[in-house]
Amino acid sequence: SYELTQPPSVSVSPGQTARITCSGDKLDDKYVSWYLQRPGQAPVLLISQDNKRHSGIPDRFSGSSSGNTATLTISDTQAQDEADFYCQTRDGGVIFGGGTKLTVL
Amino acid sequence: VQLQESGPGLVKPSQTLSLTCNVSGDSLTSGGYYWSWIRQPPGKGLEWMGYISYSGKTDYVPSLKRRLFISLDPSKNQFSLTLTSVTPADTAVYYCARQYLNGDTTMFEHWGQGTLVTVSS
Repeated sequence: SYELTQPPSVSVSPGQTARITCSGDKLDDKYVSWYLQRPGQAPVLLISQDNKRHSGIPDRFSGSSSGNTATLTISDTQAQDEADFYCQTRDGGVIFGGGTKLTVL
Repeated sequence: VQLQESGPGLVKPSQTLSLTCNVSGDSLTSGGYYWSWIRQPPGKGLEWMGYISYSGKTDYVPSLKRRLFISLDPSKNQFSLTLTSVTPADTAVYYCARQYLNGDTTMFEHWGQGTLVTVSS
């Protein structure tokens, strides 16, 4: 079965750029979406179709995909961005990555 | 569009878990969208369970196919999840969500707030 692999954690200083990766076999042949989930809340769609920001999402969030890796980039990272991030694609059914906890130090 | 899950918070092992998702701001049968259930065990990641389409077509994750049933009630604008023979491994926050699906593209734009279901005797 298809799998998406994310690093368990990423740390970044306020104001710096955070990059969260999502790896899967021939992932650039598929579309990837990204979600942000704060503790105790439902996930929120950030990015769809690799790089399309969802309505109301700040342009600090951007997505890209190449080869086997999709990347979510967060520019000028702020304390409020501290959350779990999930990538998601379709392979028959729906596949989620294991999630990455972003810590803003 | 708003979604709201409801159902018991505690289910005994071997029994059946039933949840309902009430949808407002959109019609389940208007077409173009699919209505999904996604769960998240405590401290773990997201697992898509399955969907039902506006026409009643369903698709389930293979690991749950024998135990999972998703149904639609257009008269109440609700859809439901039934999971049989539950074990403690089914303890999770259960989310309902509206799924956009078109060819290779799928995404979840709207989510319920989630409801915690604990399987324990």
